Amino acid sequence: QVQLQESGPGVVKPSETLSLTCNVSGGSVYSNSHYWSWIRQPPGKGLEWIGYVYYSGSTNSNPSLKSRVTMSIDTSKNQFSLMLRSVTAADTAMYYCARQDLSSVFDYWGQGALVAVSS
Amino acid sequence: DIQMTQSPSSLSASVGDKITITCRASQSISNSLNWYQQKPGQAPKLLIYAAFNLQSGVPSRFSGSGSGTHFTLTISSLQPEDFATYYCHQGYSSSFGGGTKVEI
Repeated sequence: QVQLQESGPGVVKPSETLSLTCNVSGGSVYSNSHYWSWIRQPPGKGLEWIGYVYYSGSTNSNPSLKSRVTMSIDTSKNQFSLMLRSVTAADTAMYYCARQDLSSVFDYWGQGALVAVSS
Repeated sequence: DIQMTQSPSSLSASVGDKITITCRASQSISNSLNWYQQKPGQAPKLLIYAAFNLQSGVPSRFSGSGSGTHFTLTISSLQPEDFATYYCHQGYSSSFGGGTKVEI
């Protein structure tokens, strides 16, 4: 059973960089059959796809966030990471990592990490 | 960018009711449409993929249909554990619908 677990600071100051890591167990991120994705959900609102990283290191991201997002993958540690630069209060959200198959289905999700942007 | 419009945004129903949730895409997405269920405090859970395929372990009272731009999720007989928020998601550019909250 694949399990994903997000980790990172729960509070980030405005204008700084949000950094999260997703540790994967029960499966390998070194897979040509899956993308490793980030999705966020502001409190009381809907879901927004942030982007994904592939085992090769290639990435694809939501055009609305693309200029501020960097994603990476560490196959030796079986984890992948998200950096979101220049955050504002609008970036306060639950951040989920998820496994995405090549048909874009999110089949496994982490439990989520709540990140608040606050001074 | 492909916009996904879900309706209704919320609905009230009773145990045993049959309900249908609709999702419309701003352009054709063939059958690249997935449905997720989210309960408070939990991550979303995959219910239906590629418009009508039931994810393993999901009860058969859930069903999906549609193609192109119009899709539906039907629950044939609501159970207490089905009260949750449901999201559609298109696989072309990974946008989600706004969600449908199913309440008692």
